Order: sequence, then C-alpha cells, then structure tokens
Amino acid sequence: NAGVMQNPRHLVRRRGQEARLRCSPMKGHSHVYWYRQLPEEGLKFMVYLQKENIIDESGMPKERFSAEFPKEGPSILRIQQVVRGDSAAYFCASSPLQTSGNTGELFFGEGSRLTVL
Amino acid sequence: AQSVTQLGSHVSVSEGALVLLRCNYSSSVPPYLFWYVQYPNQGLQLLLKYTTGATLVKGINGFEAEFKKSETSFHLTKPSAHMSDAAEYFCAVSGNNNDMRFGAGTRLTVKP
Repeated sequence: NAGVMQNPRHLVRRRGQEARLRCSPMKGHSHVYWYRQLPEEGLKFMVYLQKENIIDESGMPKERFSAEFPKEGPSILRIQQVVRGDSAAYFCASSPLQTSGNTGELFFGEGSRLTVL
Repeated sequence: AQSVTQLGSHVSVSEGALVLLRCNYSSSVPPYLFWYVQYPNQGLQLLLKYTTGATLVKGINGFEAEFKKSETSFHLTKPSAHMSDAAEYFCAVSGNNNDMRFGAGTRLTVKP
C-alpha cells in the first residue's frame, strides 16, 4: 500500500522560471494538503484541497502560487516566476474523508526540496 | 480556529535523561492532538495522537503525551533519551474540519 508520493524530490530552478510539484495521495484519500517548511522554521499551512475543489487557501501567497487537485491525476503545486525566497521544502499530506470515526490524521510524503538559484 | 505553541525551539538532553517537549494549543472545538517526528531530509511520521478517551496516550519509540484540558497542554515525554531520538518534533492540532495546524517545531539534541 503505497504512501503519499511526491515528485520531484529535488528541483532546481533559476529565478523567473516555473516550478511544478506533484503529489499523489494515499489510495482512498480524497483530501490533500500542502505545507511549506523554510530552513530552521516549522511547517506553514498553504492550501487544502479535495478533488476539483480548493477548500482552504488561506496560507497561499496571493501571487505566483496556485494549486489544483484534478479529478484524475496528482495534485499540483505551481509556483510561477520563482524567486530565491521560494527555496524551501514543500510537503504534501493526505487524509481520508473525515467522518465521525476519522481523527483527521495526516499522512505525509517525503517532501520536494526546491532550490532557486 | 486552531493553533499550537511549542515552547522551546531547541531542547538538549543527555542520553538516558528525561525528554520533555512542551506544547500548548488553542481550539474552539474539542481538539484532536498529534505529535509528529521529522528526521533529516524526511517527511513527518506520526508519533502519537489524542482523539477521545484516555488522556495519557502512548506512542511509538517509548514516547507518551498527556492531554490536560485545564492547562490546554499536550506535552511529549520519554523517560530515557536515546541517541536515535535526535530529530525535529512537531505538535499539531485539528478540529472537525480537516484543518490541522502545526507548531513551529522543537529540535531535540541528545548528547552522549
């Protein structure tokens, strides 16, 4: 039973290029979350998605960042015109549909580490 | 809305000593509480969680945490630290809307 799969694990981009990070949730999970971890800082919530819907994007920067979770395929976090400050580890997590028996536990991928030169 | 405060960004203990990592939460609904561990260049792994019922929760690797509603705390403890416990530890809280929020993390160093 595969866990949360993120790719690429490492991505290098030059300033002004685009970065696309992919996340395939665990089988049977319908919720995807993206978090950003800056060096020596904790995890910052970015966005929470269900299939074809953005539920909460209160942590997303207003410009250059977007996320989607299409009906088919992985969730994508897209960063346009990257700047050096975007260098960070981006973690994806998934969870099943929360019901009365579900505790909201998240299952994390290994992360994608973006370096902007 | 939920939030978490972890007291102490760095904690250093000697091997064999007690580990105590502090976490206080704020939640407008009965919370679910979690501790995750992150080893270098890896994702987060669940150590333990509190949902309902017994307030003392036991997790993997000998860790445990106690939910104290009156103190809004969920501190993580381990009686005897091992070198392999050196890692980053995150406390997290979620409500009933799949809205997990994390603390800033505590880096645990274990000295030989």
